[in-house]
Parts: sequence; C-alpha cells; structure tokens
Amino acid sequence: EDQVTQSPEALRLQEGESSSLNCSYTVSGLRGLFWYRQDPGKGPEFLFTLYSAGEEKEKERLKATLTKKESFLHITAPKPEDSATYLCADTNRDDKIIFGKGTRLHILP
Amino acid sequence: DAGITQSPRHKVTETGTPVTLRCHQTENHRYMYWYRQDPGHGLRLIHYSYGVKDTDKGEVSDGYSVSRSKTEDFLLTLESATSSQTSVYFCAISGADNEQFFGPGTRLTVL
Repeated sequence: EDQVTQSPEALRLQEGESSSLNCSYTVSGLRGLFWYRQDPGKGPEFLFTLYSAGEEKEKERLKATLTKKESFLHITAPKPEDSATYLCADTNRDDKIIFGKGTRLHILP
Repeated sequence: DAGITQSPRHKVTETGTPVTLRCHQTENHRYMYWYRQDPGHGLRLIHYSYGVKDTDKGEVSDGYSVSRSKTEDFLLTLESATSSQTSVYFCAISGADNEQFFGPGTRLTVL
C-alpha cells in the first residue's frame, strides 16, 4: 500500500532553535512531493513541490529537500509565527495525492 | 487566495438526514476534490472531479456522492448522514503542477 509517513508527530522548539521534519514515502514513481502548512481552523496552504532527488526549495525560514525515499523540511531560526501543522503529500500509483498525518510544530517565544 | 469558497462553514445535523456541502471556485480549474480530515487519519480523499459531469471515487467514498454540473461548483452529498461522518470537509482545486489549493473547510457534526 502506498504510504506517506511523517515524523515526529509533534515538535516543540524554542524560538531560534533550528530543526527538521521528516517525510518518507513508498511510491516508486515520483510525480511530485508536496509540502503544506495548516493553521488551526484553516485549510492547508501550499508551500513547495519537489520532483527529483537532490532538489531543494526555500521560502523564508523553510527549506525543503528530497532524496529517493525521504523529504525533509528544514526550519532555520524559527519564530512563533511558524507554529502550525506541516503536511507532506505524494502521488500514488493511481495518480491520486495521499497525505501524511502531519507534524504539529510549536515554537515557544 | 485561490478563490475557493465552501458553504456552509458549520453544520450540525441529525443521523439519517441528507446533507449537501458546496464548493465554489472562481479560477476555472478543471480538477476539484473533496477531502475529509480527522484526528489520527489526516486528509483523506473522498471524491474528485476532472470536468463537468466527470467524477471518480477516492479512498473513502462509501456513503458519499458528488455532482458537478458547472465548472465552478462541486457538490458533496451525504444521502443519510451517520455519526462516523462527523468531520471537517475540505474542497481543493489543482494548480498547473498538480499542487492543490484548499478552501476554508466545513465543520460537520452529525448527532
């Protein structure tokens, strides 16, 4: 079964403390690995798409990277406003997008 | 802002009643999706549409039906709501590179 697994489930960091979130996927073909941010009570907001191993994309304090079986979302010197749930998604063999369960990130001031 | 609205935003209903949720987009996108989001399960695809009157099932389609008579509107119907359908429902559209843009969600409670 095609799966997307995210770790950790939850992460608490001090403001300025850098860290990484992990997303592992099992689909052999890569049609796009996606990262989203979701704030409480809102719909997910698109952040990045990665297509090939070695690819990197950045936006403010976030950088997404991709290997053959994993993607990482690196958060550098985070601020409290970076607190959210971060979702990873992949495209399965039927060309449908499947989501991981997310990592809840809390940045303490 | 991807121009997606959902209505109603909140609804409380009773078991056995029919419920219809509406998704409206102003972007003229071909693909539209309905997801449900539950604690411990994440986002799961219910149904999707790839054009007017063209729809297909997703991962958790049992108990749900959809219709798309116009490009801009995608309706999700629960023919006879059950408590297990209590959830937050999100509509989404696809961008040019398959990325998805989501609506604000509908919180449905079935008593």
